[in-house]
Amino acid sequence: GQQVMQIPQYQHVQEGEDFTTYCNSSTTLSNIQWYKQRPGGHPVFLIQLVKSGEVKKQKRLTFQFGEAKKNSSLHITATQTTDVGTYFCAGLFGNEKLTFGTGTRLTIIP
Amino acid sequence: DARVTQTPRHKVTEMGQEVTMRCQPILGHNTVFWYRQTMMQGLELLAYFRNRAPLDDSGMPKDRFSAEMPDATLATLKIQPSEPRDSAVYFCASGTILTSPNQPQHFGDGTRLSIL
Repeated sequence: GQQVMQIPQYQHVQEGEDFTTYCNSSTTLSNIQWYKQRPGGHPVFLIQLVKSGEVKKQKRLTFQFGEAKKNSSLHITATQTTDVGTYFCAGLFGNEKLTFGTGTRLTIIP
Repeated sequence: DARVTQTPRHKVTEMGQEVTMRCQPILGHNTVFWYRQTMMQGLELLAYFRNRAPLDDSGMPKDRFSAEMPDATLATLKIQPSEPRDSAVYFCASGTILTSPNQPQHFGDGTRLSIL
């Protein structure tokens, strides 16, 4: 079946350090979405990437979509305690169903 | 802000009991999704509806699970009989699928289900 792999599974960083999570698919994606889930909360939509090679920024967060539309990354610059949570990518394979990645759980060491 | 409402927020019951979870999607959203989240399996899509019609329930164990949308403001997910392995957080999400599928999904707070 269609799968979206995400690495790393866990990441512990010192506050102020950068953080990156990667998402990979074996087949081409129509688009990719990123969600953040705080501990005990629900996934919240962050952004959507549609075009090959697309780069979008939200303050300290930078999202990229690969040229082949098979991979994506989320990079956070100078992490803060408010960045704690699990970050999910979710790929759309040409239909309406999103396939969620396994998520990267980010913890911040103050 | 419009939000997806799920009830109950928490449910603890004994195995063999029927469990019904309810979801009120955001008004105007025509697509409703049911997900299950566990530590081991992550976020799994169980079923989804568009304009109240079931489009895909391939992720759902059909012998005990059923999903319905009796009207545009209510989606239900039932488990009968429940088993301990059904313990998880069940999320409902809604979205708008019009001419393009590229729309974000809005999640409810989830139902935390524990089957003893």
